[in-house]
Amino acid sequence: NAGVTQTPKFQVLKTGQSMTLQCAQDMNHNSMYWYRQDPGMGLRLIYYSASEGTTDKGEVPNGYNVSRLNKREFSLRLESAAPSQTSVYFCASSEALDRDGIFGDGTRLSIL
Amino acid sequence: AQRVTQPEKLLSVFKGAPVELKCNYSYSGSPELFWYVQYSRQRLQLLLRHISRESIKGFTADLNKGETSFHLKKPFAQEEDSAMYYCALKDGGAQKLVFGQGTRLTINP
Repeated sequence: NAGVTQTPKFQVLKTGQSMTLQCAQDMNHNSMYWYRQDPGMGLRLIYYSASEGTTDKGEVPNGYNVSRLNKREFSLRLESAAPSQTSVYFCASSEALDRDGIFGDGTRLSIL
Repeated sequence: AQRVTQPEKLLSVFKGAPVELKCNYSYSGSPELFWYVQYSRQRLQLLLRHISRESIKGFTADLNKGETSFHLKKPFAQEEDSAMYYCALKDGGAQKLVFGQGTRLTINP
């Protein structure tokens, strides 16, 4: 199905390792987002990209970097993973920042 | 600062009973509010938005600016309504979605 595709679906890392989560959308959306989902905390925005070539910090950007590689792809990188980054990560896209988002299936990341 | 609060982490009701999931917000401007739903093993998806004033799967939500609330309601719950529900606010200034903590709804047979 068309939509937002995230890879990988699951990953286990050791503290200090680096990792890039990939996200691609095929809906020609301008805006893309990365969220993390934690029990009792809901969904929190890490970074977003209003359009190709731009990225902005969200609510919890520390420890992460992003790259808007092109209009389709928006990757999230953990340079030195920490146990506090154990979470489920969701990528989303929308036509524009003022529209609701279409979400991917999520990546479950565990850091030991 | 903008904030969305869902006071109930867990809500359990019997099939056929009315259900109300609470959402309160704080926002200085004119809010744009949404409800998202995540069924088991499925991705998060939009359920409804306040500007549409529509009913989706029997759910409705009315924006009450006086009480700064956007509660989600359904008169007769069904087992397939069991899911995680998130209330979200579109921050027009920063142009991003702010989510509440989520409410896990369980419909008992």
